[in-house]
Amino acid sequence: AQKITQTQPGMFVQEKEAVTLDCTYDTSDPSYGLFWYKQPSSGEMIFLIYQGSYDQQNATEGRYSLNFQKARKSANLVISASQLRDSAMYFCAMRTAGTASKLTFGTGTRLQVTL
Amino acid sequence: DVKVTQSSRYLVKRTGEKVFLECVQDMDHENMFWYRQDPGLGLRLIYFSYDVKMKEKGDIPEGYSVSREKKERFSLILESASTNQTSMYLCASSPEKPWEQYFGPGTRLTVT
Repeated sequence: AQKITQTQPGMFVQEKEAVTLDCTYDTSDPSYGLFWYKQPSSGEMIFLIYQGSYDQQNATEGRYSLNFQKARKSANLVISASQLRDSAMYFCAMRTAGTASKLTFGTGTRLQVTL
Repeated sequence: DVKVTQSSRYLVKRTGEKVFLECVQDMDHENMFWYRQDPGLGLRLIYFSYDVKMKEKGDIPEGYSVSREKKERFSLILESASTNQTSMYLCASSPEKPWEQYFGPGTRLTVT
């Protein structure tokens, strides 16, 4: 069975600082994909970044990067130069090859960016 | 841009009522999903569909059913609403690859 663990229910970071949101996963499938989504207070889930299990390089999208450590089964999200509008819930999710594009989500981390 | 719309942002229903939540996507995606989101539990998959008239149970299907008569529309049905079904319901769609899911704005359902 697939499992995603996010151990940080809440995080604070000062504006312009970098922050790392932790995500560990568990699967026996060699082919899988890892996703990060952002959910602002408006409720809509916004896709941020994707990492495939066979990708050689860590994924980056603007200020977002995914620190993929396959041996440790971790896929941490790094947000550089935090902005107030980054305050939101962040969810890590995983898809494995045999699950017809179903995603398994973690419980989320609430990030608060302060002045 | 992909657009996924849900019929209501907020809904209040009474215990025992039959409730329909509608979801429509405009990108011809094969796959559609219904999740519920509760504090501390993240998103949990209720049902999904990978084609018209095809459906599969997710992790928490009890008390729910779904309908997909057209490719763009996926409905979630609460046959007899109960208070423990008070939650945020999120619909999503995705193409066959690269599997990124696009979400609707959510429906916050309160059952009293």
